[in-house]
Amino acid sequence: EAQVTQNPRYLITVTGKKLTVTCSQNMNHEYMSWYRQDPGLGLRQIYYSMNVEVTDKGDVPEGYKVSRKEKRNFPLILESPSPNQTSLYFCASSLSTSGGGETQYFGPGTRLLVL
Amino acid sequence: QKEVEQDPGPLSVPEGAIVSLNCTYSNSAFQYFMWYRQYSRKGPELLMYTYSSGNKEDGRFTAQVDKSSKYISLFIRDSQPSDSATYLCAMSAPGYGGATNKLIFGTGTLLAVQP
Repeated sequence: EAQVTQNPRYLITVTGKKLTVTCSQNMNHEYMSWYRQDPGLGLRQIYYSMNVEVTDKGDVPEGYKVSRKEKRNFPLILESPSPNQTSLYFCASSLSTSGGGETQYFGPGTRLLVL
Repeated sequence: QKEVEQDPGPLSVPEGAIVSLNCTYSNSAFQYFMWYRQYSRKGPELLMYTYSSGNKEDGRFTAQVDKSSKYISLFIRDSQPSDSATYLCAMSAPGYGGATNKLIFGTGTLLAVQP
C-alpha cells in the first residue's frame, strides 16, 4: 500500500530533551516536506526537500533540523524542544518537483506535547 | 494580511443540504488550486484539484475558481454525515517561494453534517 508513515504518533517530552520524528514514504517520491498544524494558523511548512541531500527552509524553520540521506526517509529533529513547539506535525511527499500543483500525500500526523 | 483566507466555521448543516466552502487569496500568481479533506486524527487528503479558472465536478463535489475575484469555492451536494471533516483550501504557483511544490493552505473550515 502506497503511504507516508510517521513515528511516533504521539509524544510527550520535556523542554530541552532532543527528539526525532521519523517519516518514510514508499512511493519513490522526490519531494518531501514537514508541516506543523496549529489552531487558527493552519498548516505551515517547516522544511522541505527536493531530493536526496537537498533540503531548504520553509516558513517556520526555527528550532528544527532535517536530513535527507535516503530518498524514502525525511526525519524531523528537535535539538532542544520548547513548549511553543507543541503542535501537530505532518510529513508529506509528492512525486516530482516540477511545475507546481503536484498532489501531496500526507502522513497520519504526530501529536507532540512539550512540557 | 494572510495570503489565503478561509472562514474557520464551524459549519453545521443537516444531511442532504448543499454546502458551500470558500477561500479568498491575494497572490495573483497562484495557478493551482486544491481542496484537501482532513478527518479527525488523520492527515489531509486531496479531494479536488483545479488548474487556473473554471469549474470541476466529481460526483457530489464541485470546485470553482474565479481568478478575477481571487476566490475559490467547494460545493458539496446532498451532504452526508461521512462528509463531516475539516476542509482545507490550498494553492500554489510554479517556482513560488523557491520551491515548485510549495503549497499555501487556508486555515480550514470544520464541517459537521447532522443526520
